[in-house]
Amino acid sequence: ILNVEQSPQSLHVQEGDSTNFTCSFPSSNFYALHWYRWETAKSPEALFVMTLNGDEKKKGRISATLNTKEGYSYLYIKGSQPEDSATYLCAFAQKLVFGQGTRLTINP
Amino acid sequence: DSGVTQTPKHLITATGQRVTLRCSPRSGDLSVYWYQQSLDQGLQFLIQYYNGEERAKGNILERFSAQQFPDLHSELNLSSLELGDSALYFCASSPAGSSNQPQHFGDGTRLSIL
Repeated sequence: ILNVEQSPQSLHVQEGDSTNFTCSFPSSNFYALHWYRWETAKSPEALFVMTLNGDEKKKGRISATLNTKEGYSYLYIKGSQPEDSATYLCAFAQKLVFGQGTRLTINP
Repeated sequence: DSGVTQTPKHLITATGQRVTLRCSPRSGDLSVYWYQQSLDQGLQFLIQYYNGEERAKGNILERFSAQQFPDLHSELNLSSLELGDSALYFCASSPAGSSNQPQHFGDGTRLSIL
């Protein structure tokens, strides 16, 4: 059974602070890793697709890194804002297996 | 607005019944994916269609089936419904058949089985 794990499950961060969380996946037969942001009462929104070991992608204050050899990806948010409150999902593209998500709450 | 349209938004039915969920992909996208999100579960991949053909299969029950039509819209058919089928069903689309492209999600259909 292919396992994609995200940690922590939930996170509370003060507005203005930076934060990061992890997605762990099988290191063999890597193809691609997706990151999505999922706000309450909305649908998941694509953030990044990462394909190469050492990949770093950035979108505004959000960035992600990828290590396929050890099977993890980090998502970083710099200077958190209330609108960053959401669940962040990663998905292992090989079998489209999603992690359970990290629920991020930004406290004003 | 992702450009992916799902209908209906809500569906309430009884055990043993059959329902059809519909999805229109974003303009230009050839792949459609179906996902199920049950209570306390993450997103579970069900099935992918690419340009009318089944491309990949996930944890889809035999009671469930899908198809993609020539105009690229897709339908997910759920039959002999059970209480455990109550869930939010998402459709997503992407331009091509490979899973290394970002997917654009619809707003989902919430299915409630009474």
